[in-house]
Amino acid sequence: DAGITQSPRHKVTETGTPVTLRCHQTENHRYMYWYRQDPGHGLRLIHYSYGVKDTDKGEVSDGYSVSRSKTEDFLLTLESATSSQTSVYFCAISESADSVSSGANVLTFGAGSRLTVL
Amino acid sequence: KQEVTQIPAALSVPEGENLVLNCSFTDSAIYNLQWFRQDPGKGLTSLLLIQSSQREQTSGRLNASLDKSSGRSTLYIAASQPGDSATYLCAVKIQGAQKLVFGQGTRLTINP
Repeated sequence: DAGITQSPRHKVTETGTPVTLRCHQTENHRYMYWYRQDPGHGLRLIHYSYGVKDTDKGEVSDGYSVSRSKTEDFLLTLESATSSQTSVYFCAISESADSVSSGANVLTFGAGSRLTVL
Repeated sequence: KQEVTQIPAALSVPEGENLVLNCSFTDSAIYNLQWFRQDPGKGLTSLLLIQSSQREQTSGRLNASLDKSSGRSTLYIAASQPGDSATYLCAVKIQGAQKLVFGQGTRLTINP
């Protein structure tokens, strides 16, 4: 996906281990988001960022932390992974969130990171 | 609490047909509505975004409409092709909040 990359794309880990997923963008967009996608639940927002060092919680933030030290990077950390955190994680970016210009509000998604916690 | 519903969950049609995908939401206080396409194992691709002040948006063979008062949006696909096979999701942005609320999607299969 042009302008946004996620790493790793696949990871298998054990319960209790820390995991960090990275989202990198080259679009210089202000907003970055982490979603998880699960069967039966759809896509749910974990955390989002509206600028460097500015982050806020989404609807399923328990067990996750984020950091954004540079405009281009947004990290999602599972301090102690649990089996319930097995999921596909998507990063998304947008230029704006409330612009009158609809194009600025469009969300662009990364290809996803599939995490399995055994 | 905003809820977004997409019915049917799956749809199969022969190539060449025009078709409509439905999206309904419970709270009309939305800022915008987006339609996305997701291919298996891939991320989401934005197809169309409709601001709350707009009634429809068009891109090629796709036309999305929005009726806030009834809490409904439709995605019209003209002259469907096998390459249109994918899961289509709609998402609404709530006014005053950052998050999008997603529907669970409609899995579309176009049969040659």
